[in-house]
Amino acid sequence: EAGVTQFPSHSVIEKGQTVTLRCDPISGHDNLYWYRRVMGKEIKFLLHFVKESKQDESGMPNNRFLAERTGGTYSTLKVQPAELEDSGVYFCASSQDEGRRYGYTFGSGTRLTVV
Amino acid sequence: GESVGLHLPTLSVQEGDNSIINCAYSNSASDYFIWYKQESGKGPQFIIDIRSNMDKRQGQRVTVLLNKTVKHLSLQIAATQPGDSAVYFCAENRAGRRALTFGSGTRLQVQP
Repeated sequence: EAGVTQFPSHSVIEKGQTVTLRCDPISGHDNLYWYRRVMGKEIKFLLHFVKESKQDESGMPNNRFLAERTGGTYSTLKVQPAELEDSGVYFCASSQDEGRRYGYTFGSGTRLTVV
Repeated sequence: GESVGLHLPTLSVQEGDNSIINCAYSNSASDYFIWYKQESGKGPQFIIDIRSNMDKRQGQRVTVLLNKTVKHLSLQIAATQPGDSAVYFCAENRAGRRALTFGSGTRLQVQP
């Protein structure tokens, strides 16, 4: 089966611009998660979708970040306007269930550089 | 707040030696733990997991130990190989919350 696909793999934008990251989860996985790793620190949770609903968005840093999952398939994460501290690697993961029985599958990430 | 942290940011070992990567967590409600391996340009890859009702679990060349008393877990890699070079993350969650909490990662460097 295809894994979790993220696009683009790299993005370099100027401060103040808008960037949209996309994640295609494994087909049939209702649970979709966004995480990010900033400045080589730990991977931090951003939010969790169950189908098209936001189940937990406690990790979203501020209102410059907007995540959507229309139709419960792929998801987008938009940063507008981007700031320097948003640079990092953004990971998407999906799971069939709550994650303990079948696990979480991560994408390769989008490396975002804000200059 | 809750956190999962690692003691050593970088671990350098000789090929063939055993590696031990440690992780501390602070949330006593955590009941499920996972070790991930992340290679450059890739996302975290599952290595092994353990539930809180166990204190040891073995896989192929890897063993995870969990000490709930001191909120500590470790990953042991036997006969470390150059292909094991990567950043290793521990992660945890608790019943009722599907999101994972990650530690800051340990870079494992295997010297030939």
